[in-house]
Amino acid sequence: EAQVTQNPRYLITVTGKKLTVTCSQNMNHEYMSWYRQDPGLGLRQIYYSMNVEVTDKGDVPEGYKVSRKEKRNFPLILESPSPNQTSLYFCASSLWANYGYTFGSGTRLTVV
Amino acid sequence: KQEVTQIPAALSVPEGENLVLNCSFTDSAIYNLQWFRQDPGKGLTSLLLIQSSQREQTSGRLNASLDKSSGRSTLYIAASQPGDSATYLCAVRPGDDKIIFGKGTRLHILP
Repeated sequence: EAQVTQNPRYLITVTGKKLTVTCSQNMNHEYMSWYRQDPGLGLRQIYYSMNVEVTDKGDVPEGYKVSRKEKRNFPLILESPSPNQTSLYFCASSLWANYGYTFGSGTRLTVV
Repeated sequence: KQEVTQIPAALSVPEGENLVLNCSFTDSAIYNLQWFRQDPGKGLTSLLLIQSSQREQTSGRLNASLDKSSGRSTLYIAASQPGDSATYLCAVRPGDDKIIFGKGTRLHILP
């Protein structure tokens, strides 16, 4: 089944403890991206990647890192999480600009 | 700067009614427009994708239209059912790097 898989689905952590949210797609998509969703603010892009070893900042990149060493994987790294990073996170992928996006099921992160 | 607006923010209608959700965007230079459905606390499910050269797309009881020149799209839901209750999100793709979302319309179908 064609899909974007995120793990974990739920995560509670403490301030400052490094964490990684994994994202993997099995559709050979070129393009991958991370979004966060917050009440009243909607979905905002964190980082995106247009191909292997190519990443760039979205609208809200502060406090996050990403890497794209393989086409299928695009992990989101929080080096020192803070409570304002408590949010619902989505990974998405797309074949190219003329194609639609496929989203993962989301990761609900709580930083205490 | 591209902005996407969805009106109304929330809508309640009795079961069985046909309804229209609206989406407007400020810049007509887009690759495509995509409608998503999101259930509370869940992921985004793609409903319909309309390319910039297309006027509409249909899937079952759903029909989405696109008028690029006026910066508008509508999502028409026929014969609404309680299972249609969800938040509906409109998103436009202005370039390779991102899609831009509206804040959604929260739909409640009354049994």
